[in-house]
Amino acid sequence: AQSVTQLGSHVSVSEGALVLLRCNYSSSVPPYLFWYVQYPNQGLQLLLKYTTGATLVKGINGFEAEFKKSETSFHLTKPSAHMSDAAEYFCAVSARNQGGKLIFGQGTELSVKP
Amino acid sequence: GAGVSQSPSNKVTEKGKDVELRCDPISGHTALYWYRQSLGQGLEFLIYFQGNSAPDKSGLPSDRFSAERTGGSVSTLTIQRTQQEDSAVYLCASSSPGYGYTFGSGTRLTVV
Repeated sequence: AQSVTQLGSHVSVSEGALVLLRCNYSSSVPPYLFWYVQYPNQGLQLLLKYTTGATLVKGINGFEAEFKKSETSFHLTKPSAHMSDAAEYFCAVSARNQGGKLIFGQGTELSVKP
Repeated sequence: GAGVSQSPSNKVTEKGKDVELRCDPISGHTALYWYRQSLGQGLEFLIYFQGNSAPDKSGLPSDRFSAERTGGSVSTLTIQRTQQEDSAVYLCASSSPGYGYTFGSGTRLTVV
């Protein structure tokens, strides 16, 4: 079984500051890991994903995440926040033998202050 | 189509009525998924189809919920005797090996 925990339901940063959104997962098999972003009244957009290979994954809009097996973490970072980054972010896990079903964390709402 | 299309985009229904939500996946995508997004529950998996078969329907919350997929394409999620706790955004996604996972914009269901 898989589960995802996102630490902090709401994170607030200043424009230009580092963005760090935390995600820890639990999986009985090697996981696939994802970060999705949801802007108000819109669907989910994939930011980045880890399947195999390089543990540092780069995504769209300057975001990246690092898969750390020893810490069961997949934290999302961006060096410099922009106002347009304000949105809700979801971490998700899936297992190779479960047909692509995603288990989501509860989400983190990111606010960016001018 | 170019993306995953869901209809209607909004649905208001009276408690006790049945509703049908439709999902048109990306052409050629073999897998189709239904999720529900609600306040307090986050994003929950409901059911997934591979072709017309549903190998995993473990997320359906009760026997009032059912789904089918025909022709390996369009899927319908049916909720019978709707309750207020069914109010949520119902999201559909489709995928195919090597082509990733695409979500639709969802159907916002309000049960009054």
